Amino acid sequence: GQQLNQSPQSMFIQEGEDVSMNCTSSSIFNTWLWYKQDPGEGPVLLIALYKAGELTSNGRLTAQFGITRKDSFLNISASIPSDVGIYFCAGRDKKSSGDKLTFGTGTRLAVRP
Amino acid sequence: SAVISQKPSRDICQRGTSLTIQCQVDSQVTMMFWYRQQPGQSLTLIATANQGSEATYESGFVIDKFPISRPNLTFSTLTVSNMSPEDSSIYLCSVGRGAHTQYFGPGTRLTVL
Repeated sequence: GQQLNQSPQSMFIQEGEDVSMNCTSSSIFNTWLWYKQDPGEGPVLLIALYKAGELTSNGRLTAQFGITRKDSFLNISASIPSDVGIYFCAGRDKKSSGDKLTFGTGTRLAVRP
Repeated sequence: SAVISQKPSRDICQRGTSLTIQCQVDSQVTMMFWYRQQPGQSLTLIATANQGSEATYESGFVIDKFPISRPNLTFSTLTVSNMSPEDSSIYLCSVGRGAHTQYFGPGTRLTVL
């Protein structure tokens, strides 16, 4: 079935650096979501995007709904140790029924203090 | 958002046995979903739990292996039947809220020996 490709697969950065990750799809999506999963926990919703071109912030996090509707980007500014975790994009395909989401492959973030 | 709890949080089971996982939400919701997250992988939708009717299963998942109940708008169960080591995963329930967003429970970590 449909899968979203996320890149990079993993990142190991210095505290204070900015982080960028993205998610691409082969089909058009009408909703993009970004989640963070800590070890042993369920994913937590960070940002939801509903319109092409939309740019939304949540504290140090900023996400954008790509103009082509086939991609989305997440940026984290001035990273801190608690940003460590796995970040997943998720989207709702324009053709899918109900509220089913497709999840990306994940970006694993490690932060060096 | 929603407050979602799952029981058990983790279990170790013997091959050939079955385990029922419970998901409780603090308020009524229309949409509830069950996901599987295999070790180091992304989330895969197992089924949509429908209140008052049979669950809707995704390709690759069948009712005999993963029976689901949804007796009311705040509760659902997922049973993993006749388990094998390949069923070792994190099982997550989620609820739909707002426009195509989902909120997740903490997950049930299952190990099958």
